[in-house]
Amino acid sequence: DAKTTQPPSMDCAEGRAANLPCNHSTISGNEYVYWYRQIHSQGPQYIIHGLKNNETNEMASLIITEDRKSSTLILPHATLRDTAVYYCIVNRGSSNTGKLIFGQGTTLQVKP
Amino acid sequence: AAGVIQSPRHLIKEKRETATLKCYPIPRHDTVYWYQQGPGQDPQFLISFYEKMQSDKGSIPDRFSAQQFSDYHSELNMSSLELGDSALYFCASSPREGGIRGYTFGSGTRLTVV
Repeated sequence: DAKTTQPPSMDCAEGRAANLPCNHSTISGNEYVYWYRQIHSQGPQYIIHGLKNNETNEMASLIITEDRKSSTLILPHATLRDTAVYYCIVNRGSSNTGKLIFGQGTTLQVKP
Repeated sequence: AAGVIQSPRHLIKEKRETATLKCYPIPRHDTVYWYQQGPGQDPQFLISFYEKMQSDKGSIPDRFSAQQFSDYHSELNMSSLELGDSALYFCASSPREGGIRGYTFGSGTRLTVV
């Protein structure tokens, strides 16, 4: 599975958009980009995933570059409750997929 | 909606004791994954089960064993506990069809070895 690179930490002002980047230059054609977050010692929480196209749901938007070597998670209006560690994970999304490999995520601190 | 249930939430054991952690997946989820997260660390994959058979294995010590039962719940058995086993242990479940999209994590068991 492809490895990912994320900045170790980021700050964001409350109410502003938080843009979290992720590099995955060795991603394969059948691998998806997934984002999870972990709020202090809670179980990781699924946010969004995508293959090639940009995706949006009630939590966030995912922008994947055309060459698929990087992506950006966008939280459109960050709140204090969005303070968490955000993990970008690349893996096959087929029914034969298996474990999630957590790398070093980005600690997002949302400030008032 | 039903979530992944882990028990106990907290557990304190002494060195060399044994511990059993339990995980009850979401109904109709047939795959269970176990993760260990040490202090300040990222979650590390231990082991997974699909349809009661071990499907994948990560960095799980030989002192640990796990199984999935006919009702799909899973238990992680840890023997000869060491101080370094102190960690959060998460269980996740997913339906086989749908892959990682269907991962749901439990709230974890915090194991403290003293």
